[in-house]
Amino acid sequence: DAGITQSPRHKVTETGTPVTLRCHQTENHRYMYWYRQDPGHGLRLIHYSYGVKDTDKGEVSDGYSVSRSKTEDFLLTLESATSSQTSVYFCAISENRVNSPLHFGNGTRLTVT
Amino acid sequence: GENVEQHPSTLSVQEGDSAVIKCTYSDSASNYFPWYKQELGKGPQLIIDIRSNVGEKKDQRIAVTLNKTAKHFSLHITETQPEDSAVYFCAARGGSGNTGKLIFGQGTTLQVKP
Repeated sequence: DAGITQSPRHKVTETGTPVTLRCHQTENHRYMYWYRQDPGHGLRLIHYSYGVKDTDKGEVSDGYSVSRSKTEDFLLTLESATSSQTSVYFCAISENRVNSPLHFGNGTRLTVT
Repeated sequence: GENVEQHPSTLSVQEGDSAVIKCTYSDSASNYFPWYKQELGKGPQLIIDIRSNVGEKKDQRIAVTLNKTAKHFSLHITETQPEDSAVYFCAARGGSGNTGKLIFGQGTTLQVKP
């Protein structure tokens, strides 16, 4: 799995509560990404990072924030979880080269009740 | 921005037959097109990719073709086996910027019947 660990693997939380998902990599890759996967929508980019403290929004960033204080860790925070954020969240990494492939972790299944 | 359409959403074939999944993209500057296979409970895994300066690429039973003029690319799996059953995603990376953002298709669930 390309040295990517996502935690937790499963989480159930209530509407309105904050949630933080963690992605840890051991590959020293510069780029890190958060995607969400929903039936009929494939994988949609939430936020990405191109270096420590360098982040930018993806196509579905509303309601999410990210932080990257170290090369190896990329955190995704739901400030106030909503039922529409029930999904499977995947972290991905890629090397410095522009056309290097993405490698994905095994995902976090989040249920907001 | 880039948009990727993938068809069909489900595909059922008999073991030994071929399977073809097609994708179209909107950004003519896109230059990188990977295909991912996702098994149940796991993250997507890269199985083959192609860059815009190449028209076709093969890796054993898997091949990908790219038609830049028509802005579509396809995954071909020959001599399918039950272990090929999975969800397959195509993706395209836009040519602008250097952030490496990939836009994915909606996925195709492939079932190979023994």
